[in-house]
Amino acid sequence: SQTIHQWPATLVQPVGSPLSLECTVEGTSNPNLYWYRQAAGRGLQLLFYSVGIGQISSEVPQNLSASRPQDRQFILSSKKLLLSDSGFYLCAWSPGGGADTQYFGPGTRLTVL
Amino acid sequence: AQSVAQPEDQVNVAEGNPLTVKCTYSVSGNPYLFWYVQYPNRGLQFLLKYITGDNLVKGSYGFEAEFNKSQTSFHLKKPSALVSDSALYFCAVRDRGGGADGLTFGKGTHLIIQP
Repeated sequence: SQTIHQWPATLVQPVGSPLSLECTVEGTSNPNLYWYRQAAGRGLQLLFYSVGIGQISSEVPQNLSASRPQDRQFILSSKKLLLSDSGFYLCAWSPGGGADTQYFGPGTRLTVL
Repeated sequence: AQSVAQPEDQVNVAEGNPLTVKCTYSVSGNPYLFWYVQYPNRGLQFLLKYITGDNLVKGSYGFEAEFNKSQTSFHLKKPSALVSDSALYFCAVRDRGGGADGLTFGKGTHLIIQP
């Protein structure tokens, strides 16, 4: 069966510091991968998605970037965090596009102080 | 552009009563529709989806949803609510022509089941 991992689970960082969040998927190959942000326990905003190694599509221009160095690894990064980057970051995977279900990881709670 | 509206921030239901969580959507073409549930500080769990065919979709934990194309709605229902159903529920949509891009989510509805 497939599983998705995210770490760290929680993170407290000062403004201006760098960020690296990691997501890995097990039990499948060539998944589509997604990063979402959820602010204040409400609606999810799609940040990035990837259909293959090195292929990243950005949905919202902002202070963040994403990379996919390996087939089942998806990394969310920032060079300098802003207060507005605080939130709950969720990684998801799907077998493909269209009607395929997206399956979510446990999330990372980021607090920028 | 696609969008989802969940008109109720919160729905309160007594245990054992039927529940409905409302969702309406807007897409340029035909939709794929999804419902997810989120417990505090957890990721989203998939409940059910509509792709094509029967308008009534059955999912996990006794939930079901009815696709209504004329009203562009996809309301989530359960015949008898449990206290353990209390959580945050999200409706999501993707246009069939949208490829591999992500889902568009509603803002979520807090479902509170009172004992």
